[in-house]
Amino acid sequence: GNSVTQMEGPVTLSEEAFLTINCTYTATGYPSLFWYVQYPGEGLQLLLKATKADDKGSNKGFEATYRKETTSFHLEKGSVQVSDSAVYFCALRASQGNLIFGKGTKLSVKP
Amino acid sequence: DTAVSQTPKYLVTQMGNDKSIKCEQNLGHDTMYWYKQDSKKFLKIMFSYNNKELIINETVPNRFSPKSPDKAHLNLHINSLELGDSAVYFCASSQKVRAEAFFGQGTRLTVV
Repeated sequence: GNSVTQMEGPVTLSEEAFLTINCTYTATGYPSLFWYVQYPGEGLQLLLKATKADDKGSNKGFEATYRKETTSFHLEKGSVQVSDSAVYFCALRASQGNLIFGKGTKLSVKP
Repeated sequence: DTAVSQTPKYLVTQMGNDKSIKCEQNLGHDTMYWYKQDSKKFLKIMFSYNNKELIINETVPNRFSPKSPDKAHLNLHINSLELGDSAVYFCASSQKVRAEAFFGQGTRLTVV
């Protein structure tokens, strides 16, 4: 069946540090892949997406590349800010349209 | 204008009660979803409706009943609430089954 595995948190970084949050998936075929972000006390917001192999999604300085060889969609940002502190979810779209999420990774950025 | 809105944002109720959570989207989408987020932040699909027709019904106790009076609304009714129902419930919508999903702010349900 479909599943998403992402690195366990929490991740604590200093401002301007480099961020990587690993995400791998198991699926039949090549599903669309997403990163969602949840800021404290808020709902989920789409951060970026990729719909086919080798696509790179990017937004707000974050990037992720759809790698079918390694079934991965790792999230990266070159220089994090305090305002990036949130929980990040990797997800794939199942054939029925619903999202299957990883367990989330909490990021804390210290000034 | 809020794209996907849920009410209430917080709900505290006693065990055994019946409660409803309402969801409305003004995006003109034809597919709506309910997700549950547990205390460890894990998100899981509960239900999905496409054009008022139920298309996903995950392994959820039948105390939970979704109702879609029209394409813009998907309400969640819960009977005989239990302590384990405490969670954050998110409504979402998408233009089509395979399009990007937009989420509401969530309803934090606490059963005491």
